[in-house]
Amino acid sequence: EPEVTQTPSHQVTQMGQEVILRCVPISNHLYFYWYRQILGQKVEFLVSFYNNEISEKSEIFDDQFSVERPDGSNFTLKIRSTKLEDSAMYFCASGGAVSGTDTQYFGPGTRLTVL
Amino acid sequence: GDSVTQMEGPVTLSEEAFLTINCTYTATGYPSLFWYVQYPGEGLQLLLKATKADDKGSNKGFEATYRKETTSFHLEKGSVQVSDSAVYFCALSGISSNTGKLIFGQGTTLQVKP
Repeated sequence: EPEVTQTPSHQVTQMGQEVILRCVPISNHLYFYWYRQILGQKVEFLVSFYNNEISEKSEIFDDQFSVERPDGSNFTLKIRSTKLEDSAMYFCASGGAVSGTDTQYFGPGTRLTVL
Repeated sequence: GDSVTQMEGPVTLSEEAFLTINCTYTATGYPSLFWYVQYPGEGLQLLLKATKADDKGSNKGFEATYRKETTSFHLEKGSVQVSDSAVYFCALSGISSNTGKLIFGQGTTLQVKP
């Protein structure tokens, strides 16, 4: 069964450093998402991406964040200058269609720890 | 804006007990409703969904009915197993967004003891 993969599973970085989180969505999906979960809190939507551009972003997704689909398979989330409060589990998801009835498939997540 | 509220956890049950995890939502119109499950060390997996009022989603013995009148989507299972121990997330995809983004509840941890 196709699945979404994410690398690395755990990333430790120093405050102020840049990190890139990588995702490989399901191959025939068209819609891509990043969510994050700070420890003990809700899973929060960050950004959605379709047709090589951002289709929606949350208030959390400020100028420090960017997303890219550099080739036909990878989908990346970059944080330019990490802050302590960026420490969280980051989930990538993909879906075949944008309608609310469609299922989003999630990756296992990358745990980001900012020291 | 749209939101989802779940019952506080953790919920601790003995094997074969009946499970209910409450979920209520606030949204414009008729959102789609989902239950996702996260087993230890894994990502979020879709457990079941319902896309219109009075629909019942079901999977692996779990059920949830979309109740528009009470804006609820409570998760139930008649007889839980130790293997059901996980974190359960209620979520909605609302009509206020045209990108399908999911809005999640805070998650409820279920612990099933043998």
